[in-house]
Parts: sequence; C-alpha cells; structure tokens
Amino acid sequence: RKEVEQDPGPFNVPEGATVAFNCTYSNSASQSFFWYRQDCRKEPKLLMSVYSSGNEDGRFTAQLNRASQYISLLIRDSKLSDSATYLCVRISNFGNEKLTFGTGTRLTIIP
Amino acid sequence: EPEVTQTPSHQVTQMGQEVILRCVPISNHLYFYWYRQILGQKVEFLVSFYNNEISEKSEIFDDQFSVERPDGSNFTLKIRSTKLEDSAMYFCASTQTGAYEQYFGPGTRLTVT
Repeated sequence: RKEVEQDPGPFNVPEGATVAFNCTYSNSASQSFFWYRQDCRKEPKLLMSVYSSGNEDGRFTAQLNRASQYISLLIRDSKLSDSATYLCVRISNFGNEKLTFGTGTRLTIIP
Repeated sequence: EPEVTQTPSHQVTQMGQEVILRCVPISNHLYFYWYRQILGQKVEFLVSFYNNEISEKSEIFDDQFSVERPDGSNFTLKIRSTKLEDSAMYFCASTQTGAYEQYFGPGTRLTVT
C-alpha cells in the first residue's frame, strides 16, 4: 500500500460550490501532514498544515482523522482560481525530514 | 517575501552529458532538499542536505547524482551522465531548523535528448 494515497480525480465543480477530497495514509508512526497546491508545471506551494485534529483558513478546512488514517480538505465557495492539483503530503514528526507526496487530486472549477 | 530561486528554468542536454542545476535557498534556512517530478507523476524526494552533508537520500539518488554547497548561498545538484529517464522537473526546497514546512523553488525543467 502506498504511503499516501489520493483519488486523482478530476473533480469538476461549479463555481461557488463546496468540494471535499480525502487522502489516506498507511504509516501509523508519529507524523504531520500538509496540503500543497500545484498549478500546471509550477512548484508545489504550501496551502495549509494539518496538525492534530485539523485546521481552518478562510474557505479552506483540513481535518486529520488518526483513527481512520485519513486527511480531508474542504473548499467552500470555490473560486475559478482554486483550479489546481491538490497534493497531500506527509512528514515524520522529527522535523526537517523529507516530504512524501501523494499523486495529487486535480480540481477544475467551472464558471 | 524571501523565496527559493533556481537556475536555469529549462535545460536541454544530450544523453551522457553532465548537468548542474542551481538553487539559492532562503537565506536563513539551513536544510536543503532536491525533489523531482517526472511529467504526469508525483513529486519524489531525491536528497536532503544539512551542515555540508547529505542527511538522507532516496534510491533514485545513485552514484550519478551529487549535491554541493559551493559557497554560502548556492546549492547545486549535479547529474554526471544524464539518461533519457532523467527528464523531469527538479525542485529545490529549503526549511528552517526544526521546521516542518518546506518552501519550493520554481523548478528546472530538464530535458534529455
């Protein structure tokens, strides 16, 4: 089983809608997670950190369920500019370790 | 806002040639990383570097690869004899001591012909 697994999508969602996608992980060791977004042929950019139970930043909410080993990202009131690939990323809790990326979920917001 | 920079943005080379990809990490960061992303695939870790030493490397980072911090600002990735399968985007990242968040440069697109 892959360390970090994501549904590749694509998710095609009308502007203004709410969209959510999950990421599952297999390693039960102490670790933290991030959501990065990646635009086509660009670098990954940090969207949010997912520590302990979850995190909210404006229209974005990320949650971590350690019992079921999944992380979710919820985007409310989606904008055209939210169209991107969303990468679920894992890091061990020792700091300065390597990042392990999922394959990403492609999201397209439709006008 | 400080950012990681990378040069060149695109490098085309012939199979068997040596290439050097350059990165300037954020100035107060001490941990540096190289990742690569083959077109259509996920981002993969290559190597991490701290205190002028490799901290960790992946299976991809074989004897053809090397990293160096030749001065106080640059961090380089060298591929000695490029193969067709080395064609990918190469991303440099850096982070502060004890931090989890890594910040990525814009990448170098390497095309091996």
